[in-house]
Amino acid sequence: KAGVTQTPRYLIKTRGQQVTLSCSPISGHRSVSWYQQTPGQGLQFLFEYFSETQRNKGNFPGRFSGRQFSNSRSEMNVSTLELGDSALYLCASSPGTASYGYTFGSGTRLTVV
Amino acid sequence: QKEVEQNSGPLSVPEGAIASLNCTYSDRGSQSFFWYRQYSGKSPELIMSIYSNGDKEDGRFTAQLNKASQYVSLLIRDSQPSDSATYLCAVKGGTGGFKTIFGAGTRLFVKA
Repeated sequence: KAGVTQTPRYLIKTRGQQVTLSCSPISGHRSVSWYQQTPGQGLQFLFEYFSETQRNKGNFPGRFSGRQFSNSRSEMNVSTLELGDSALYLCASSPGTASYGYTFGSGTRLTVV
Repeated sequence: QKEVEQNSGPLSVPEGAIASLNCTYSDRGSQSFFWYRQYSGKSPELIMSIYSNGDKEDGRFTAQLNKASQYVSLLIRDSQPSDSATYLCAVKGGTGGFKTIFGAGTRLFVKA
């Protein structure tokens, strides 16, 4: 059974640029959540998609957006990058009900210079 | 007040001892509770889930939940050096809907 696939693994971008990260969940999982992880803030919730609909959103600025496709693959986009956006971005896959935990992808390490 | 609070540690225990990790949460309506383990440079990995008051055992791990006290704990028996990692408490449900909120994690060191 394939795991959660995130691409790319590493990215270096310049301030002001935009970036798109991709996540393919476990087959059959309909929920994809995105988290930002930094040493100082831990795991911060960005948003969750279920069956192509954003079901929950965290407290991040509008520069952070996402979407989910009919095959459950998800993308997140960050526009007008800032230095503070440098972090590990993790995608988490689950069947979508409250009783299930997550399977995480390996993450995308974004560095903004 | 943070939604999910954990002592950051580090917690250091000798090999073979019991490691006790604690977590409190603020949303009384929370429904599902999880413990994840994260090794340095790796992604979090789900190790335990618990939904009702009491204890749940899985091998060397025991999760404990007390909803009245809004308290979750994880006990690791016969701790091994390979258990050295950061342990993240996570809470789902309640006013957060299907959103899962993570604590900042407790670093555990098991000394050989």
